[in-house]
Amino acid sequence: NAGVTQTPKFRILKIGQSMTLQCTQDMNHNYMYWYRQDPGMGLKLIYYSVGAGITDKGEVPNGYNVSRSTTEDFPLRLELAAPSQTSVYFCASSPRAKDEKLFFGSGTQLSVL
Amino acid sequence: AQSVTQLGSHVSVSEGALVLLRCNYSSSVPPYLFWYVQYPNQGLQLLLKYTSAATLVKGINGFEAEFKKSETSFHLTKPSAHMSDAAEYFCAVSDIAGTASKLTFGTGTRLQVTL
Repeated sequence: NAGVTQTPKFRILKIGQSMTLQCTQDMNHNYMYWYRQDPGMGLKLIYYSVGAGITDKGEVPNGYNVSRSTTEDFPLRLELAAPSQTSVYFCASSPRAKDEKLFFGSGTQLSVL
Repeated sequence: AQSVTQLGSHVSVSEGALVLLRCNYSSSVPPYLFWYVQYPNQGLQLLLKYTSAATLVKGINGFEAEFKKSETSFHLTKPSAHMSDAAEYFCAVSDIAGTASKLTFGTGTRLQVTL
Protein backbone atom coordinates (compact mmCIF):
# COMPACT_ATOMS: atom_id res chain seq x y z
CA ASN A 1 0.00 0.00 0.00
CA ALA A 2 1.20 3.47 -0.84
CA GLY A 3 -0.85 5.05 1.98
CA VAL A 4 -1.31 8.81 1.57
CA THR A 5 0.47 10.30 -1.45
CA GLN A 6 1.00 14.04 -1.90
CA THR A 7 2.26 15.84 -4.98
CA PRO A 8 4.26 17.91 -5.59
CA LYS A 9 6.88 17.71 -2.84
CA PHE A 10 8.17 21.23 -3.45
CA ARG A 11 6.75 24.23 -5.27
CA ILE A 12 7.59 27.91 -5.61
CA LEU A 13 4.76 30.25 -6.59
CA LYS A 14 4.64 33.91 -7.42
CA ILE A 15 2.15 36.13 -5.61
CA GLY A 16 -1.26 35.85 -7.26
CA GLN A 17 -0.64 32.53 -8.98
CA SER A 18 -2.87 29.56 -8.36
CA MET A 19 -2.15 25.89 -7.87
CA THR A 20 -3.61 22.64 -6.65
CA LEU A 21 -1.96 20.39 -4.12
CA GLN A 22 -2.87 16.80 -4.82
CA CYS A 23 -3.64 14.17 -2.18
CA THR A 24 -4.58 10.54 -2.82
CA GLN A 25 -5.07 7.68 -0.39
CA ASP A 26 -5.48 4.00 -1.22
CA MET A 27 -6.76 2.81 2.16
CA ASN A 28 -10.45 3.47 1.44
CA HIS A 29 -10.61 5.94 4.33
CA ASN A 30 -13.72 8.08 4.55
CA TYR A 31 -12.10 10.96 6.42
CA MET A 32 -9.45 13.20 4.95
CA TYR A 33 -7.77 16.35 6.22
CA TRP A 34 -5.50 19.16 5.12
CA TYR A 35 -3.10 20.75 7.61
CA ARG A 36 -0.51 23.45 7.32
CA GLN A 37 2.62 23.46 9.44
CA ASP A 38 4.40 26.73 10.09
CA PRO A 39 7.71 26.90 11.98
CA GLY A 40 7.12 26.95 15.72
CA MET A 41 3.35 26.91 15.28
CA GLY A 42 2.35 23.26 15.17
CA LEU A 43 -0.26 21.96 12.76
CA LYS A 44 -3.40 23.88 11.89
CA LEU A 45 -6.42 22.25 10.23
CA ILE A 46 -7.42 23.92 6.95
CA TYR A 47 -10.29 21.76 5.67
CA TYR A 48 -11.55 18.27 6.20
CA SER A 49 -13.94 15.85 4.53
CA VAL A 50 -16.10 13.10 5.99
CA GLY A 51 -16.75 11.43 2.66
CA ALA A 52 -17.14 12.00 -1.04
CA GLY A 53 -19.09 15.18 -1.71
CA ILE A 54 -18.85 16.47 1.89
CA THR A 55 -16.31 19.01 3.08
CA ASP A 56 -16.06 21.39 6.02
CA LYS A 57 -13.85 24.22 7.20
CA GLY A 58 -11.18 23.81 9.79
CA GLU A 59 -9.36 26.40 11.84
CA VAL A 60 -7.64 28.32 8.99
CA PRO A 61 -9.66 27.94 5.74
CA ASN A 62 -9.27 31.44 4.28
CA GLY A 63 -7.51 31.50 0.92
CA TYR A 64 -8.11 27.81 0.22
CA ASN A 65 -10.72 25.63 -1.42
CA VAL A 66 -11.23 21.88 -1.49
CA SER A 67 -13.35 19.31 -3.25
CA ARG A 68 -13.97 15.61 -2.68
CA SER A 69 -15.41 13.96 -5.75
CA THR A 70 -14.05 10.50 -4.90
CA THR A 71 -13.12 8.63 -1.73
CA GLU A 72 -9.48 8.52 -2.81
CA ASP A 73 -8.76 12.13 -3.75
CA PHE A 74 -8.86 15.36 -1.74
CA PRO A 75 -7.15 18.21 -3.61
CA LEU A 76 -6.42 21.58 -2.00
CA ARG A 77 -6.68 24.65 -4.22
CA LEU A 78 -4.92 27.98 -3.71
CA GLU A 79 -6.55 30.57 -5.97
CA LEU A 80 -4.49 33.72 -5.35
CA ALA A 81 -1.28 32.76 -3.62
CA ALA A 82 -0.02 35.09 -0.92
CA PRO A 83 3.27 35.09 1.04
CA SER A 84 1.28 34.16 4.17
CA GLN A 85 0.57 30.81 2.53
CA THR A 86 4.23 29.85 2.56
CA SER A 87 4.15 26.71 4.64
CA VAL A 88 4.43 22.93 4.64
CA TYR A 89 1.12 21.28 3.80
CA PHE A 90 0.15 17.84 5.01
CA CYS A 91 -2.72 15.69 3.90
CA ALA A 92 -3.99 13.01 6.26
CA SER A 93 -6.69 10.37 6.38
CA SER A 94 -8.46 8.19 8.91
CA PRO A 95 -11.01 5.40 8.57
CA ARG A 96 -13.49 6.88 11.06
CA ALA A 97 -14.31 10.25 12.57
CA LYS A 98 -13.45 9.04 16.04
CA ASP A 99 -10.22 7.36 15.16
CA GLU A 100 -7.39 9.57 16.20
CA LYS A 101 -4.79 7.57 14.29
CA LEU A 102 -4.24 9.85 11.38
CA PHE A 103 -2.22 8.61 8.44
CA PHE A 104 -0.13 11.43 7.01
CA GLY A 105 1.42 12.07 3.65
CA SER A 106 5.02 13.25 3.43
CA GLY A 107 4.07 16.87 2.81
CA THR A 108 4.34 19.62 0.22
CA GLN A 109 6.72 22.49 0.90
CA LEU A 110 5.27 25.64 -0.70
CA SER A 111 6.97 29.01 -0.99
CA VAL A 112 5.13 32.08 -2.25
CA LEU A 113 7.47 34.86 -3.34
CA ALA B 1 -11.33 25.70 24.49
CA GLN B 2 -8.62 23.09 24.53
CA SER B 3 -4.90 23.66 24.20
CA VAL B 4 -1.54 22.00 24.71
CA THR B 5 1.76 23.51 25.72
CA GLN B 6 5.01 21.77 24.96
CA LEU B 7 7.82 23.01 27.15
CA GLY B 8 11.06 23.31 25.24
CA SER B 9 11.21 23.61 21.48
CA HIS B 10 14.55 21.77 21.41
CA VAL B 11 15.81 18.99 23.67
CA SER B 12 19.24 17.40 23.36
CA VAL B 13 20.21 14.12 25.06
CA SER B 14 23.11 11.73 24.80
CA GLU B 15 22.60 8.30 23.33
CA GLY B 16 21.53 5.97 26.15
CA ALA B 17 20.20 8.78 28.33
CA LEU B 18 16.64 9.28 29.49
CA VAL B 19 14.32 11.12 27.14
CA LEU B 20 11.72 13.42 28.73
CA LEU B 21 9.50 15.59 26.56
CA ARG B 22 6.98 17.72 28.41
CA CYS B 23 3.35 18.39 27.51
CA ASN B 24 0.70 20.18 29.54
CA TYR B 25 -2.89 20.40 28.43
CA SER B 26 -5.97 22.44 29.04
CA SER B 27 -9.43 21.01 28.47
CA SER B 28 -12.87 21.68 29.90
CA VAL B 29 -13.79 17.99 29.71
CA PRO B 30 -11.79 14.78 30.19
CA PRO B 31 -9.23 14.93 27.40
CA TYR B 32 -8.01 12.50 24.83
CA LEU B 33 -4.23 12.96 24.49
CA PHE B 34 -1.76 11.88 21.84
CA TRP B 35 1.87 11.98 20.94
CA TYR B 36 2.90 12.04 17.29
CA VAL B 37 6.43 11.83 15.88
CA GLN B 38 7.71 13.39 12.67
CA TYR B 39 10.95 12.06 11.22
CA PRO B 40 12.82 14.29 8.74
CA ASN B 41 10.99 14.76 5.44
CA GLN B 42 8.08 12.56 6.54
CA GLY B 43 4.54 13.05 7.75
CA LEU B 44 3.50 12.55 11.35
CA GLN B 45 3.06 9.08 12.86
CA LEU B 46 1.08 8.20 15.97
CA LEU B 47 3.35 7.18 18.87
CA LEU B 48 0.72 6.61 21.54
CA LYS B 49 -2.66 7.75 22.79
CA TYR B 50 -4.50 8.19 26.08
CA THR B 51 -8.25 7.58 26.01
CA SER B 52 -9.01 7.20 29.75
CA ALA B 53 -8.40 3.44 29.96
CA ALA B 54 -5.03 3.50 31.77
CA THR B 55 -2.96 6.43 32.98
CA LEU B 56 0.35 4.89 31.84
CA VAL B 57 0.32 4.44 28.10
CA LYS B 58 2.91 2.47 26.17
CA GLY B 59 3.60 3.29 22.56
CA ILE B 60 5.87 2.23 19.77
CA ASN B 61 9.69 2.27 19.83
CA GLY B 62 9.89 2.04 23.64
CA PHE B 63 8.14 5.33 24.37
CA GLU B 64 5.56 5.76 27.09
CA ALA B 65 3.57 8.60 28.60
CA GLU B 66 1.75 9.08 31.88
CA PHE B 67 -1.49 11.00 32.23
CA LYS B 68 -1.50 13.06 35.45
CA LYS B 69 -4.79 14.83 35.93
CA SER B 70 -3.65 16.75 39.02
CA GLU B 71 -0.76 18.23 37.04
CA THR B 72 -2.66 18.43 33.69
CA SER B 73 0.37 16.77 32.14
CA PHE B 74 1.10 14.04 29.62
CA HIS B 75 4.89 13.87 29.43
CA LEU B 76 6.61 11.50 27.01
CA THR B 77 9.52 9.38 28.21
CA LYS B 78 11.93 6.75 26.98
CA PRO B 79 14.51 5.14 29.30
CA SER B 80 17.37 5.04 26.79
CA ALA B 81 17.66 7.25 23.74
CA HIS B 82 18.78 5.91 20.38
CA MET B 83 20.17 7.92 17.50
CA SER B 84 17.10 6.89 15.50
CA ASP B 85 14.87 8.77 17.97
CA ALA B 86 16.02 12.11 16.59
CA ALA B 87 12.82 13.70 15.29
CA GLU B 88 10.17 16.26 16.12
CA TYR B 89 7.52 15.25 18.62
CA PHE B 90 4.04 16.73 18.82
CA CYS B 91 1.57 16.49 21.66
CA ALA B 92 -2.11 16.82 20.73
CA VAL B 93 -5.43 17.01 22.58
CA SER B 94 -9.02 16.33 21.62
CA ASP B 95 -12.00 16.88 23.88
CA ILE B 96 -14.52 15.08 21.69
CA ALA B 97 -13.88 11.37 21.92
CA GLY B 98 -10.76 11.51 19.81
CA THR B 99 -12.43 13.12 16.83
CA ALA B 100 -9.58 13.92 14.46
CA SER B 101 -11.13 17.12 13.17
CA LYS B 102 -11.07 18.48 16.71
CA LEU B 103 -7.40 17.75 17.42
CA THR B 104 -5.27 20.63 18.67
CA PHE B 105 -1.55 20.16 18.17
CA GLY B 106 1.26 21.62 20.23
CA THR B 107 4.11 23.54 18.68
CA GLY B 108 6.46 20.57 18.75
CA THR B 109 9.73 19.60 20.43
CA ARG B 110 12.74 18.73 18.34
CA LEU B 111 14.77 15.94 19.92
CA GLN B 112 18.47 15.76 19.17
CA VAL B 113 20.43 12.66 20.18
CA THR B 114 24.20 12.96 20.42
CA LEU B 115 26.97 10.36 20.74
